[in-house]
Amino acid sequence: EIVLTQSPGTLSLSPGERATLSCRASQSVYNNYLAWYQQKPGQAPRLLIHGASSRATGIPDRFSGSGSGTDFTLTISRLEPEDFAVYYCQHHGSSPPPFGQGTKVEIK
Amino acid sequence: EVQLLESGGGLVQPGGSLRLSCAASGFSFSSYAMTWVRQAPGKGLEWVSLIRGSTDRTDYADSVKGRFTISRDNSKNTVYLQMNSLRVEDTAIYFCAKTYSSGWYYFDSWGQGTLVTVSS
Repeated sequence: EIVLTQSPGTLSLSPGERATLSCRASQSVYNNYLAWYQQKPGQAPRLLIHGASSRATGIPDRFSGSGSGTDFTLTISRLEPEDFAVYYCQHHGSSPPPFGQGTKVEIK
Repeated sequence: EVQLLESGGGLVQPGGSLRLSCAASGFSFSSYAMTWVRQAPGKGLEWVSLIRGSTDRTDYADSVKGRFTISRDNSKNTVYLQMNSLRVEDTAIYFCAKTYSSGWYYFDSWGQGTLVTVSS
């Protein structure tokens, strides 16, 4: 069973800066079946990326996903005020589908 | 527009039971697998269970296997989670989500969640 480890735990940045979030898998992720979700306080998660790099419908192009094998990255090119949230990665290649523990992007 | 509305959460004693419902609209419900994901207070996301659209085949996390049962009524566009033998550690917000099949499944639309509190 794959275990996903996200880093850093917290990222303190200012609006306009670039955010780089990491998700590392304990074993190779077949066919790059890796998704990213955003969750704001008191809200449900929202799908951002699936298949490691495919943006979900309606997601702004400042969000991009990359990576393969065991190392994956979510990049937010220029942080907008609404992007400060917690981000989770998820392996969607098999059951059970593990989530990472999350990275909080907070305002510096 | 996809809409998912959970209900049925509340306070229950350890060992008790609760049934959650998730009413769906805005998509062809019977064509999609549906899933439940939970989030304990201040913690991360944990997948709980999934039911496929046409075959009713189900999957469960080990932490709930034998205690929880997922089901669906395609005539009512509703998915259910019957939770028995509840434990304090089952306390969480329970989200239902629509899925998309890719590899296994990812979760492309989510409800707002319903809070389940297990406490004496």
